This record gives sequence, C-alpha cells and structure tokens, in this order.
Amino acid sequence: NAGVTQTPKFRVLKTGQSMTLLCAQDMNHEYMYWYRQDPGMGLRLIHYSVGEGTTAKGEVPDGYNVSRLKKQNFLLGLESAAPSQTSVYFCASSYTGTRQPQHFGDGTRLSIL
Amino acid sequence: GENVEQHPSTLSVQEGDSAVIKCTYSDSASNYFPWYKQELGKRPQLIIDIRSNVGEKKDQRIAVTLNKTAKHFSLHITETQPEDSAVYFCAASIISNSGYALNFGKGTSLLVTP
Repeated sequence: NAGVTQTPKFRVLKTGQSMTLLCAQDMNHEYMYWYRQDPGMGLRLIHYSVGEGTTAKGEVPDGYNVSRLKKQNFLLGLESAAPSQTSVYFCASSYTGTRQPQHFGDGTRLSIL
Repeated sequence: GENVEQHPSTLSVQEGDSAVIKCTYSDSASNYFPWYKQELGKRPQLIIDIRSNVGEKKDQRIAVTLNKTAKHFSLHITETQPEDSAVYFCAASIISNSGYALNFGKGTSLLVTP
C-alpha cells in the first residue's frame, strides 16, 4: 500500500514548455486534490475532483488543467509554463469529502526558468 | 474562497514548555478542522483533527479546542520536544456546489530549543 504517489519528484522547465504531473493513489479514495505551496503562503488549492470523470476549480486554477479519467489517477497539466508557476506541488486524496482527512504525496518541486 | 487566519507565523519555545497556535475561520458551515505537521522537505502529515460536534480532543501531548460560536480553534502542544520543530498548518472545511475541500492557514513555524 503505497498511499499517494507523485511523479516526477523534481523538474526544471523553460518558460513556455508544457508538462504533466501525475498523482496516483491506491486507497480507493473518491476525492483528489492538487495544491501548490509557496513560502509564506501555505497550501493553496488549484483544482480538485470529487470522483472519476469530475473536476472543479480551487482558489488558484489559472494556468493549470486537470483530468481524472481513472479513479486512482489525477493529472495536473501546465500548457505553457511561466516563472510564477515555480513551486512545490502536492497532491492529496481523501476517502470521501465530508469530514475526512486528506493524505498527501511527497510533492513535486517544479522550477521554471 | 473563505479565509483561514493562523497565528503566530513563527513561535519559539524552550523544550518542555507548551506551544499554542490559533486559527480563525469565516465560513459558518465549516464542520471539520484538521491540523497538519510538515517537516522540512517532507509532506504535510495529519496530527489531529476535530469535528464540529465536539469542543475538545486530545491525543497524548497534543490537544485541539474548537469554539464554533467565535469561529476559532487552537492547537496545544504540551511538554514540547526538539522533534516537535516543524511547520504546522490548520485547515477548515469548505463546501460548495462543486464539492468539499479544505482551506489552509499560512502556517506556523515552531522551533523548540533544547
């Protein structure tokens, strides 16, 4: 039981490049979330999903897209990376949405030059 | 989104002393309040949570209190140890037409000195 697994762990991109971050969970959780963490800003919600085939916008969705084609996977895409998207990205999942803890992955450190 | 305010942003205590971190929230519909601990370079990990139907919960040296009327909740760590040094985040649940999520505070950096 690996929990929440994020790939890659580190990545350096040039401005304008695109990439996809993968989050996989093996706990049969319905809900999945993508956050970004910047110094002094806490964890800010980018997008989330309440089940397979669904997605919703969070606090800071601009510049990102997501897909949840399979229940266990939640993909975060950057179509045209910008230096402002340099951050640590965390994925999380929870069994259901209501009053359940979220379990986090180890994060992806993304630098955009 | 609805705000969660967390104070203080940094806290330094001596080993053995108590530490208290306070959070306030604005959404009266919030009903779930978890606390996470994040060590440097690691993932946030849940240390304790409280639901709106109780006012206090304790787990060994860690306790959380909730005042729904005043919309604030607090984390109490007693007999602090150097390994308690980390960043602590509070969160409050939010519910929208799209589903359920958490709003996080900006974090408190706790340093426990021997």
